[in-house]
Amino acid sequence: DPKIIQKPKYLVAVTGSEKILICEQYLGHNAMYWYRQSAKKPLEFMFSYSYQKLMDNQTASSRFQPQSSKKNHLDLQITALKPDDSATYFCASSHSSGQGGTGQLYFGEGSKLTVL
Amino acid sequence: GDSVTQTEGQVALSEEDFLTIHCNYSASGYPTLFWYVQYPGEGPQLLFRASRDKEKGSSRGFEATYDKGTTSFHLRKASVQESDSAVYYCALSPDSNYQLIWGSGTKLIIKP
Repeated sequence: DPKIIQKPKYLVAVTGSEKILICEQYLGHNAMYWYRQSAKKPLEFMFSYSYQKLMDNQTASSRFQPQSSKKNHLDLQITALKPDDSATYFCASSHSSGQGGTGQLYFGEGSKLTVL
Repeated sequence: GDSVTQTEGQVALSEEDFLTIHCNYSASGYPTLFWYVQYPGEGPQLLFRASRDKEKGSSRGFEATYDKGTTSFHLRKASVQESDSAVYYCALSPDSNYQLIWGSGTKLIIKP
């Protein structure tokens, strides 16, 4: 059974619309992350959260907003979508508050977003 | 700043060939070094890691040795199989903080 659930697996949106990507982890981790993968940038770190608090934000645009309603949830809201936002978005988690630290990152299967 | 360099964007081999994917890093102290593998349609998963000079990490026939002298962590496998087709990422976690620094990835293609 997958321990990190991402929904939806595929989604198509129109330019200017808004979408929310869902991520839940059942590994008991206290840190969660969002990554983006596209043809332009193979694996790009976006956000890290620890105990539901933002630790690091490498996303220049405020159109990307993580939302953590529970310790094991980290959703990603994307507003005013653009075709350049088309990518696969991966959620990940780890034991420590860092991405590397003493532990490893566990990734979900991704949500593939296409913006028309 | 800290960085990871993977020189090969793509490697094409035949089954049973020897594999080397180069990874060089730039960081102070003794960062922890990682190899992750990403199969089509999946997220990356840890292959193995090493945290000390001369330490060898290994898994599934793949191995890499931490070399502080040459700041390298090259991935090797003696005999590749079609099932090894994937993208391989080298990454590091610096001493001073926990941010994971990723290489650009190397796509391994195994020709039938």
